[in-house]
Amino acid sequence: ELKVEQNPLFLSMQEGKNYTIYCNYSTTSDRLYWYRQDPGKSLESLFVLLSNGAVKQEGRLMASLDTKARLSTLHITAAVHDLSATYFCAVAPRFGNEKLTFGTGTRLTIIP
Amino acid sequence: DAGVIQSPRHEVTEMGQEVTLRCKPISGHNSLFWYRQTMMRGLELLIYFNNNVPIDDSGMPEDRFSAKMPNASFSTLKIQPSEPRDSAVYFCASSRDRTARETQYFGPGTRLLVL
Repeated sequence: ELKVEQNPLFLSMQEGKNYTIYCNYSTTSDRLYWYRQDPGKSLESLFVLLSNGAVKQEGRLMASLDTKARLSTLHITAAVHDLSATYFCAVAPRFGNEKLTFGTGTRLTIIP
Repeated sequence: DAGVIQSPRHEVTEMGQEVTLRCKPISGHNSLFWYRQTMMRGLELLIYFNNNVPIDDSGMPEDRFSAKMPNASFSTLKIQPSEPRDSAVYFCASSRDRTARETQYFGPGTRLLVL
């Protein structure tokens, strides 16, 4: 069974600071997604990473994928309050059952 | 495009009642997914359809849950009889691809409270 672990689960940080959210997974994968969920809202797709070494950036968020380490990171640069949300990674195994498996989520709170 | 549409957005019911959740996927999308989200268990995939055919229902918790997709633009998730532990947010999502590997677009969710 594919396991997807995120850490930290909760993160409170000050505006202007940098931080990284980690997503580890337990099986071979060539496809990883990052989603954002605002409180009481739906999930919104942020990035899809399709190969080893892939890097995607949107504003203050940058995501990367290391398929050999089975690790993806979501880096937040100079955080602003608008980035407060829960962030999920989701992994599609390369073989076998092809369902996306979502991580537990990281609840990020940016403090002014 | 209007995005994935779900109804109702909120549902409050009493234990033992039947609950039907509805979903309209994005036009042209081939796959449809039903998820349940709770604080304790996170986001769980219940069932997904490809071209209106159920592909994997291994996440459906028990026989009280059933899902149908009679055509490409409509799906239902039914709980009968409902129990308090079914209280959760139920999301429907759709994707273009025939598999479950592509980007999924989520609806706004139905917040279900079973008293």
